Amino acid sequence: EIVLTQSPGTLSLSPGERATLSCRASQSVSSRYLAWYQQKPGQAPRLLIYGASSRAAGLPDRFSGSGSGTDFTLTISRLEPEDFAVYYCQQYGSSPYTFGQGTKLEIK
Amino acid sequence: QVQLQESGPGLVKPSQTLSLTCTVSGGSISSGGHYWNWIRQHPGKGLEWIGYIYYSGTTYYNPSLKSRVTISVDTSKNQFSLKLSSVTAADTAFYYCARDRSGYGYSDYWGQGTLVTVSS
Repeated sequence: EIVLTQSPGTLSLSPGERATLSCRASQSVSSRYLAWYQQKPGQAPRLLIYGASSRAAGLPDRFSGSGSGTDFTLTISRLEPEDFAVYYCQQYGSSPYTFGQGTKLEIK
Repeated sequence: QVQLQESGPGLVKPSQTLSLTCTVSGGSISSGGHYWNWIRQHPGKGLEWIGYIYYSGTTYYNPSLKSRVTISVDTSKNQFSLKLSSVTAADTAFYYCARDRSGYGYSDYWGQGTLVTVSS
């Protein structure tokens, strides 16, 4: 099974700053089958990015995904107050599908 | 707009079977094209994919849970269900149903989730 390791565990930033979240896989993720989700307290995860870099419908363009192989990145160019949440990556290139442990993005 | 809603007991005794149902609205399971997932999240922890089902009944389970999991579908009710047998406290979690878009493997619509506690 592919293990996904997200870093940092917690990221403290201010609104307006740029956030860079990392997701590293224990082996190559085929065909860039990597997704990112956002989860706020008491809510279900929300799909942000699929195929490593494709934005989900309606997602603001301040969110972008990049990467391939074993290294992937979610970037939020200018943080808005509603962006502070926990972010998970998921690989779906091989079974079982697996998720990272999450990065908590908190207000500094 | 597709909506999913989980339902089922919030408390299950150890060694018994956890049973949950997901009702889909705003779209038909039997129209095909999508797979239907169960995913769980232990309180304060990360996400774990349990398995999926296609409207035809084809299933695929996480090997770590395969011996205890059954996912079924009832297209007449536009529902799919999860059964997890021989539960222990380690199965206490929020359980989510979600739509796997076109069978690619990522989930684009999620239910709100339901907390199932395993306790005597």
